[in-house]
Amino acid sequence: AQSVAQPEDQVNVAEGNPLTVKCTYSVSGNPYLFWYVQYPNRGLQFLLKYITGDNLVKGSYGFEAEFNKSQTSFHLKKPSALVSDSALYFCAVRGISYNTDKLIFGTGTRLQVFP
Amino acid sequence: SQTIHQWPATLVQPVGSPLSLECTVEGTSNPNLYWYRQAAGRGLQLLFYSVGIGQISSEVPQNLSASRPQDRQFILSSKKLLLSDSGFYLCAWSGWRGASTDTQYFGPGTRLTVL
Repeated sequence: AQSVAQPEDQVNVAEGNPLTVKCTYSVSGNPYLFWYVQYPNRGLQFLLKYITGDNLVKGSYGFEAEFNKSQTSFHLKKPSALVSDSALYFCAVRGISYNTDKLIFGTGTRLQVFP
Repeated sequence: SQTIHQWPATLVQPVGSPLSLECTVEGTSNPNLYWYRQAAGRGLQLLFYSVGIGQISSEVPQNLSASRPQDRQFILSSKKLLLSDSGFYLCAWSGWRGASTDTQYFGPGTRLTVL
């Protein structure tokens, strides 16, 4: 069965420092991986996705993610964190073997950026 | 461009009362549509998805039902609400092709409190 894990409930980082939000996955076949961000009482906003090609994917708001097949990881990164990046981040995976368009979400990681 | 609407934004209902939440999408045709529930501000649970008018798939048997009376309209209903139905309900859409690479885009959500 396909699954995705976000091992950290919360990540704290000082403004201006680099940030990493971790995600690992388990799926048969090639994985399609997504990152979303959720601000309080709002819907999820799409940040970026990995389908194929370059392992470093660039997305919205200066975020990027690195796909690592050998470690089955898709960590979200940003070189310099902003206070406004504080939010809940979700990693999601869809396995190529599935016919239906369903995403499996991680439990989320709360990012807190301190001024 | 495509937009997705949900209403109402917030709802407080007594136990045993009926429920109707509406989701509409603009700017696209034949979208795949989804209902998710988010409890305690964390994990997302897929409730229903639809690949076309009148076509509904249920992921989790429960007190809720879904309908798709028009191509871009998706309704979540209940005949009698339970306390456990409280949560943040999110509607999402993705491209009509149903390809695994398609991104799901989320609406702003409805906060439901059952008292």
